[in-house]
Amino acid sequence: LAKTTQPISMDSYEGQEVNITCSHNNIATNDYITWYQQFPSQGPRFIIQGYKTKVTNEVASLFIPADRKSSTLSLPRVSLSDTAVYYCLVGPGANNLFFGTGTRLTVIP
Amino acid sequence: EPEVTQTPSHQVTQMGQEVILRCVPISNHLYFYWYRQILGQKVEFLVSFYNNEISEKSEIFDDQFSVERPDGSNFTLKIRSTKLEDSAMYFCASRSRGLDSPLHFGNGTRLTVT
Repeated sequence: LAKTTQPISMDSYEGQEVNITCSHNNIATNDYITWYQQFPSQGPRFIIQGYKTKVTNEVASLFIPADRKSSTLSLPRVSLSDTAVYYCLVGPGANNLFFGTGTRLTVIP
Repeated sequence: EPEVTQTPSHQVTQMGQEVILRCVPISNHLYFYWYRQILGQKVEFLVSFYNNEISEKSEIFDDQFSVERPDGSNFTLKIRSTKLEDSAMYFCASRSRGLDSPLHFGNGTRLTVT
């Protein structure tokens, strides 16, 4: 399974765009990249998933360069309610099971 | 939007007692999972379950743990003889058939072993 590395924490002001990068140097050909968000005392919540290039949904964008050795989750114009831990998971879709330590994002008023 | 539901939200038990944590996955999902999260730590994979059998389990999931899908809707995690270090949030998750289908998590059961 591909090991992932993310910053432990990030701070951002409200209204700013936040980019969280995840490194996964040994990603395999059939691996997907999936991001989850977790609020305190709640289960992780799926945000976005991609395989290559760019994916966008109503919540976030995911940028994946051609070599796929990293990915960047982009949150546009964050609000206080986006304060959470963000996890990057890499693995074959069916077995994308293992969470790393995640990035704790704190949005400051 | 359909969701995974877990009961109870909080369970307190004495060391050595058996506990059963219950989950109702999303109705058309086929793959089921248990995770745990010790306070302040990361989310840890315990076990995955498909077609009425365990498909993968972690080192944490030892002989004290078992899972069961007793009927068409419930998915349970049993801890046979609880230890203090079993105190954690336990999350159930499910997903549908597609290879790229994400996990859907419940809001967890907080287990406190005294």
